[in-house]
Amino acid sequence: GQQVMQIPQYQHVQEGEDFTTYCNSSTTLSNIQWYKQRPGGHPVFLIQLVKSGEVKKQKRLTFQFGEAKKNSSLHITATQTTDVGTYFCAGPGGGNNRKLIWGLGTSLAVNP
Amino acid sequence: DGGITQSPKYLFRKEGQNVTLSCEQNLNHDAMYWYRQDPGQGLRLIYYSQIVNDFQKGDIAEGYSVSREKKESFPLTVTSAQKNPTAFYLCATSNLGYTEAFFGQGTRLTVV
Repeated sequence: GQQVMQIPQYQHVQEGEDFTTYCNSSTTLSNIQWYKQRPGGHPVFLIQLVKSGEVKKQKRLTFQFGEAKKNSSLHITATQTTDVGTYFCAGPGGGNNRKLIWGLGTSLAVNP
Repeated sequence: DGGITQSPKYLFRKEGQNVTLSCEQNLNHDAMYWYRQDPGQGLRLIYYSQIVNDFQKGDIAEGYSVSREKKESFPLTVTSAQKNPTAFYLCATSNLGYTEAFFGQGTRLTVV
């Protein structure tokens, strides 16, 4: 079945360093979504990318959607301790259902 | 999110007992979802419902049951048939025509 893979599983950085997580789908996606889950919290929607090659920025966060619409990345510039959490990507399961297929997430730890 | 209420936040039950987790939303979203999250793991879909009086099994439905009698409510029952019920349970909603998910605060279920 359709799968979404995310790497790395964990990343530990010093505050101020950059961070990137990658998401790869086994099938072409109509869109890709990114969520952040703080420790002990619930996932919160960050952004949705729809167009091939799309790049969106939110302050220090840069999101990219691949040309083939099968991969995506999230890059954080100059990490801060507030960036700590798990970042998930998710894509629609296709068909008439509205399921999302989720990556396993990348857990980011930031040393102050 | 403020529009999705899960209760209680923490729940303890003895092995062999059924337990029902509540999820109520006032966002007027038509689709509702139940996910299970284990420590360090991603989100696994238990059940989802796109309209009232209809629901579909997700990837790990065994040992769980749901109902969708009202648009606002989607309770999840964890039955005694669920082998490892201790987990973090997240309810989510999405609006017609969209797939991005909005999550409740979650319920941490511990079965002893």
